Amino acid sequence: AQKITQTQPGMFVQEKEAVTLDCTYDTSDQSYGLFWYKQPSSGEMIFLIYQGSYDEQNATEGRYSLNFQKARKSANLVISASQLGDSAMYFCAMREEYGNKLVFGAGTILRVKS
Amino acid sequence: DAGVIQSPRHEVTEMGQEVTLRCKPISGHDYLFWYRQTMMRGLELLIYFNNNVPIDDSGMPEDRFSAKMPNASFSTLKIQPSEPRDSAVYFCASSLTPGSTEAFFGQGTRLTVV
Repeated sequence: AQKITQTQPGMFVQEKEAVTLDCTYDTSDQSYGLFWYKQPSSGEMIFLIYQGSYDEQNATEGRYSLNFQKARKSANLVISASQLGDSAMYFCAMREEYGNKLVFGAGTILRVKS
Repeated sequence: DAGVIQSPRHEVTEMGQEVTLRCKPISGHDYLFWYRQTMMRGLELLIYFNNNVPIDDSGMPEDRFSAKMPNASFSTLKIQPSEPRDSAVYFCASSLTPGSTEAFFGQGTRLTVV
């Protein structure tokens, strides 16, 4: 069964600095996708970035990048130049190609300090 | 497209009453997911559909919960009878195949059972 682990319940980062949010996963599938979502205090779920299991390059989207280490089964999110508006809950998720089930980790609360 | 539409946004009901949550996915999306979010359990996948057919309902907590998708543009999640421990935010999300595409979330329904 697929499983996502986010070991950091909460993180603090100083404004303008970079922060890494950890995510490890477990799957027996060879083909899968990894996603990061942001949930601000308003409650909506916002898609940030996607990494496919066969992608050789790490995904990047603006200030977001995904540090994908397939052998270690980790998919950490890196946010560069943190902004106050980055304060939110961040979820890592995985979707296996077989069945297309989308499962989320427990989330990490990020607080950006000014 | 207006995105995934959920109704109602807020629901307060008394214990023992039937509750029906509604979801309209994005047109053309063939996957629909129902999630429940609580502080204690995080974001749990309850059930998901592919082309209106339930694929995996292993996350449905008990027989009091049921979900249907009578057509491609509508799904319901019903709780009967409701209990205080069902209080949570319920999200509906939809996506396309394949698994490399992100799921788009509705705004959620905040359910309070008193």
